[in-house]
Amino acid sequence: GDSVTQMEGPVTLSEEAFLTINCTYTATGYPSLFWYVQYPGEGLQLLLKATKADDKGSNKGFEATYRKETTSFHLEKGSVQVSDSAVYFCALSEVGGNEKLTFGTGTRLTIIP
Amino acid sequence: GAVVSQHPSWVICKSGTSVKIECRSLDFQATTMFWYRQFPKQSLMLMATSNEGSKATYEQGVEKDKFLINHASLTLSTLTVTSAHPEDSSFYICSARGWGGTQYFGPGTRLLVL
Repeated sequence: GDSVTQMEGPVTLSEEAFLTINCTYTATGYPSLFWYVQYPGEGLQLLLKATKADDKGSNKGFEATYRKETTSFHLEKGSVQVSDSAVYFCALSEVGGNEKLTFGTGTRLTIIP
Repeated sequence: GAVVSQHPSWVICKSGTSVKIECRSLDFQATTMFWYRQFPKQSLMLMATSNEGSKATYEQGVEKDKFLINHASLTLSTLTVTSAHPEDSSFYICSARGWGGTQYFGPGTRLLVL
């Protein structure tokens, strides 16, 4: 079945540091890939997505590129801020059917001033 | 746009009682909604897929008689935890599928069964 493996946390970085959160996936078809973010006390929000190989999703300074050859969708940001502190979830959705999401375990990110 | 609400945001109940959680898409219609359960420091586990006007589709291992789902309109789905027990304590999250297939998530409902 489909699965998503992401970097275990927690991750603690200083403000303005470079961020990478690794995510790899296993899927039978050609899934769409997502990063969701969950800020403290809030629900999940879609951060970015990519629907086919070599697509790059970007939002709020975050980027992730759909790499079919390495089955990866790593999340990156060049300079993190304290406000980026949250839990980040990588997820995939198989195209067709009801497009249900399969999530990774989440990575808690804390940015210190 | 694409706001999903849940009510209540938290609930405490006695063992053996039933609890109903509502999920509403506030500014769009959703023929499909999803219910997830999130354990502390773990990922979201899909419980069931709720389709408007039809029976929900449950994931393997989820008791359909325990977790009753009703999707009576294009903007409302409800999850009822029947005869709740302490092991049902968890964070329940719904999502609604919007235009283009993107899922929009509610803020979650924290259930504590005493």
